[in-house]
Amino acid sequence: DQQVKQNSPSLSVQEGRISILNCDYTNSMFDYFLWYKKYPAEGPTFLISISSIKDKNEDGRFTVFLNKSAKHLSLHIVPSQPGDSAVYFCAASGNFGNEKLTFGTGTRLTIIP
Amino acid sequence: DTEVTQTPKHLVMGMTNKKSLKCEQHMGHRAMYWYKQKAKKPPELMFVYSYEKLSINESVPSRFSPECPNSSLLNLHLHALQPEDSALYLCASSAWTGNTEAFFGQGTRLTVV
Repeated sequence: DQQVKQNSPSLSVQEGRISILNCDYTNSMFDYFLWYKKYPAEGPTFLISISSIKDKNEDGRFTVFLNKSAKHLSLHIVPSQPGDSAVYFCAASGNFGNEKLTFGTGTRLTIIP
Repeated sequence: DTEVTQTPKHLVMGMTNKKSLKCEQHMGHRAMYWYKQKAKKPPELMFVYSYEKLSINESVPSRFSPECPNSSLLNLHLHALQPEDSALYLCASSAWTGNTEAFFGQGTRLTVV
């Protein structure tokens, strides 16, 4: 049962444009959401997070939006740069009394120069 | 120092070998994790240590044996592995046991022959 879903396995965006990566979740107990970026043969790198008490968090070129009623979050990257080409994982955790992060299946973002 | 360091980067082992993966962090984090990632799949949680005690074991076979000698170190002892255990093994740490971002190491690429 995939509790965190990224329905787009891949996405191509022109350099300078906005990249929008989407993530849906099913478990209403999740209350903290994170985005990680991963290059091949490297560990995931933390990008940005959002708590369920907020609906938006911004850090430089990266903005995460959370729609709790729809159980949906998105990551906006603007402007997109060639170095942003990577696999992006959405992850979620909740107040379950443990530290478990549940990852989505990932979206491969390719920025076209 | 915001790094999680994993050694070795690559490991090839036979099915009868015993080997260990090592992970180290000096951020004062009190939660440490082992994840396994197969190609084109999200990271899957294996174990969580919280304050040096095993708090989560995701039904991992006993041929994988974690150990947390102190708050900075996390080991994964491997014995009698199968070829299907070949994967990228990721260590991560986070500040505490609540909702907080986890920092990942670069991983150990394990090949079982």
